[in-house]
Amino acid sequence: QKEVEQNSGPLSVPEGAIASLNCTYSDRGSQSFFWYRQYSGKSPELIMSIYSNGDKEDGRFTAQLNKASQYVSLLIRDSQPSDSATYLCAGVYNAGNMLTFGGGTRLMVKP
Amino acid sequence: DAGITQSPRYKITETGRQVTLMCHQTWSHSYMFWYRQDLGHGLRLIYYSAAADITDKGEVPDGYVVSRSKTENFPLTLESATRSQTSVYFCASRGPYEQYFGPGTRLTVT
Repeated sequence: QKEVEQNSGPLSVPEGAIASLNCTYSDRGSQSFFWYRQYSGKSPELIMSIYSNGDKEDGRFTAQLNKASQYVSLLIRDSQPSDSATYLCAGVYNAGNMLTFGGGTRLMVKP
Repeated sequence: DAGITQSPRYKITETGRQVTLMCHQTWSHSYMFWYRQDLGHGLRLIYYSAAADITDKGEVPDGYVVSRSKTENFPLTLESATRSQTSVYFCASRGPYEQYFGPGTRLTVT
């Protein structure tokens, strides 16, 4: 069973703080991971991808992958109320053609 | 416009009726997917397609039928809708590295 686990939250952070979202996975064969943001009533939107160990930064977002510990994280610096959404972590399997999604973490950024 | 579209965006149907949800993508992606999203269950894969005329079951295929005669279209049919199929349905397609979602169809079965 390939699983991706996330804490459902809600994770509440004040505006301007760093939000840290975490995800663990069970399939050691998973090589690539993605973070999607989903606003209420909208479809998931891809915001970050990470393919190798270490950190990947894109603007206020940093994705971190630690294959030895089988966890993935997403850091959001200078959090804004507009970042309030559900964040979905997904890992690749089946030769890179399929995604397994975690249940999502709801983030609330309070002004 | 390039991208992935779904129609209808909202649908109300009665138990026992057949309903088809449409999905169209303009990227010529080989892989396409249908998910349903329900509170407490997250995104669950219903069916996927690796190419035209190649489809396979996902995690929750019962009660659904798919076809893919053209690369750009991937319709999902509920043969005899049940209340348990009330959900939000997302179509997605996979590019070289990443998967993109359509806007979703909110289906209510009464």
